[in-house]
Amino acid sequence: GQNIDQPTEMTATEGAIVQINCTYQTSGFNGLFWYQQHAGEAPTFLSYNVLDGLEEKGRFSSFLSRSKGYSYLLLKELQMKDSASYLCAVKDTRASGTYKYIFGTGTRLKVLA
Amino acid sequence: GAVVSQHPSWVICKSGTSVKIECRSLDFQATTMFWYRQFPKQSLMLMATSNEGSKATYEQGVEKDKFLINHASLTLSTLTVTSAHPEDSSFYICSASPPDYTYEQYFGPGTRLTVT
Repeated sequence: GQNIDQPTEMTATEGAIVQINCTYQTSGFNGLFWYQQHAGEAPTFLSYNVLDGLEEKGRFSSFLSRSKGYSYLLLKELQMKDSASYLCAVKDTRASGTYKYIFGTGTRLKVLA
Repeated sequence: GAVVSQHPSWVICKSGTSVKIECRSLDFQATTMFWYRQFPKQSLMLMATSNEGSKATYEQGVEKDKFLINHASLTLSTLTVTSAHPEDSSFYICSASPPDYTYEQYFGPGTRLTVT
């Protein structure tokens, strides 16, 4: 089956580093995405991994291990505005050759002063 | 570039009525559009995949007769919630993928539907 798991909630302190994990099981893996979503708004794209390894983009980094079905999003130098939900999503190719995105449960991050 | 709009941004309707939500790609052609539903404090759940000129592909458990999807052009897809009930109240979000981007989807701002 298809399953994507993330911790439900995390709390961290301003200026700290936080790692949000994501494990997945899909049949037609074709890339993994991380999105940030503030309440009442649409998700915004943070990162994309299709090959194993680390992708760094400013304060955000994302890691992928396809053999382990595992990814993490690393947020450095946390700011209050980073308080949001973080969604892990897998692009999954269907047998028909089309594709869809499967979202994880989402992690609500609360950054404390 | 890659802007997606949704209309309306919020709507309140009475139980039993139908509501149409539009999703437009403003500066690119979208061969594929996705419709998601999000309940409070939950993640996005894919409802259906809309392909221009063909029938939508609905996810398991989504009633195709209740959630009508039309993708009549490369820039417009519509979702009609027919005979809406209070349990259909949710945040509906669309996304669109350009044909030349193999991995990206661009989200609309979402539509908050409240059924009374």
